This record gives sequence, C-alpha cells and structure tokens, in this order.
Amino acid sequence: AQSVTQPDIHITVSEGASLELRCNYSYGATPYLFWYVQSPGQGLQLLLKYFSGDTLVQGIKGFEAEFKRSQSSFNLRKPSVHWSDAAEYFCAVGLFTSGTYKYIFGTGTRLKVLA
Amino acid sequence: SAVISQKPSRDICQRGTSLTIQCQVDSQVTMMFWYRQQPGQSLTLIATANQGSEATYESGFVIDKFPISRPNLTFSTLTVSNMSPEDSSIYLCSVEAPLSWNEQFFGPGTRLTVL
Repeated sequence: AQSVTQPDIHITVSEGASLELRCNYSYGATPYLFWYVQSPGQGLQLLLKYFSGDTLVQGIKGFEAEFKRSQSSFNLRKPSVHWSDAAEYFCAVGLFTSGTYKYIFGTGTRLKVLA
Repeated sequence: SAVISQKPSRDICQRGTSLTIQCQVDSQVTMMFWYRQQPGQSLTLIATANQGSEATYESGFVIDKFPISRPNLTFSTLTVSNMSPEDSSIYLCSVEAPLSWNEQFFGPGTRLTVL
C-alpha cells in the first residue's frame, strides 16, 4: 500500500542552525511530491513541489528539497532556521490510486526553534 | 493561487447534533476535497467533490455521516452528522490548483469540538 513516512515527530533546533526534515514514500512509480507548512491556527501553505526534472527544488521562505529516487526520499532543508519557522511540516505525495488522483500525507514533523 | 474561505472557523457542538461547514473559493475549480485532521494527527482525505456528481468517499467515511454538497464550481459544504466527541477535529477543504491539476490549495480549516 502507498504510504508516506516522516520519521521525526518532533525536531528542535537553535535559531540560525541548519535544518533537515526527512520524508520517505512507498509507491511503485515516482509520485508528485510536496512539502506543506502549517502554523498554529492556520491552514496549509505550500512550500515547494517536485514533479520532474531537476531533483533539487527551491521553495519559498528559503527552503529547498531534494528528490532521491534510489532512496524514495524527498527531504526538506533550510541552511539557517528563523524563529518564525516554528510550525508543523507535512510531506505529501500526489498519486493515482484506483483511477483517482489524491494526496497522501505523512504524519508531520513539529519544529521547535530555540532562541 | 486560489483564495479559500471556510465557515465557521471554529465551533463547539453538543453530542448528537450536526454541523455544516462551508467552503468558498474565489475562482471556479473542478475538484474540491475535504480532509479531517484529528488532534495531533496528519490529514486524512474524507471525500472528493466534483461539481455535478456525487462525492467520492474514502474507505472509512460514509455519506450518511459526512454528506457533501457541491452546487457550483466555487462552493461546497460538508456536514458532520450525529456528532460524537470522536468527531472533534479540524476539517479542511482544498481545491485543485487552477493551473496545476496535481497540486492543491488549502483553506484555513474549521476547528470542531464536540462535547
């Protein structure tokens, strides 16, 4: 069955430190890949996406992600974290299942930023 | 991008009652989606609503419990019927991005508490 795994439920980093959030998926083909951020009381905002082509994609707010087919991974990175990045981050895959296109979300990673 | 609004933003309801959540988009979209996000959990797709046809429900969700209407290309409602405390969640609607069918934009969500 298709699944999306975010191994880290909580991550704490100091402001200015680098960040990497992990995402692995299980799917027979290459799905469409997304990272969303959810701030407290807010909806989901798209950070970046991967459909095809260059495996390193740039997003908003200084985030980037790298697709690695061999590892079925799409990890999110930021070189220097800001206090405002504290939020919950969701990896999602878009794929066809039973003839219908839909998203499957990972369980999320809650990021805490220390001043 | 599409601007999505939801009403109400939050509500507290009594067990056994029903609540209808509205989702309004500022542009015409073909596909709309309803998700549930239980406390501390990820997003789970409830159903897909295509204008002019019956909603398609995911495994574990039924029309009697979550009836959906999609009267036009900019509006949808989700009703949570005969509520129990287990229905306490955030309910989010999303829409297919206007120029990118495999991408979704999300509304701000409706936080529901059932006593």
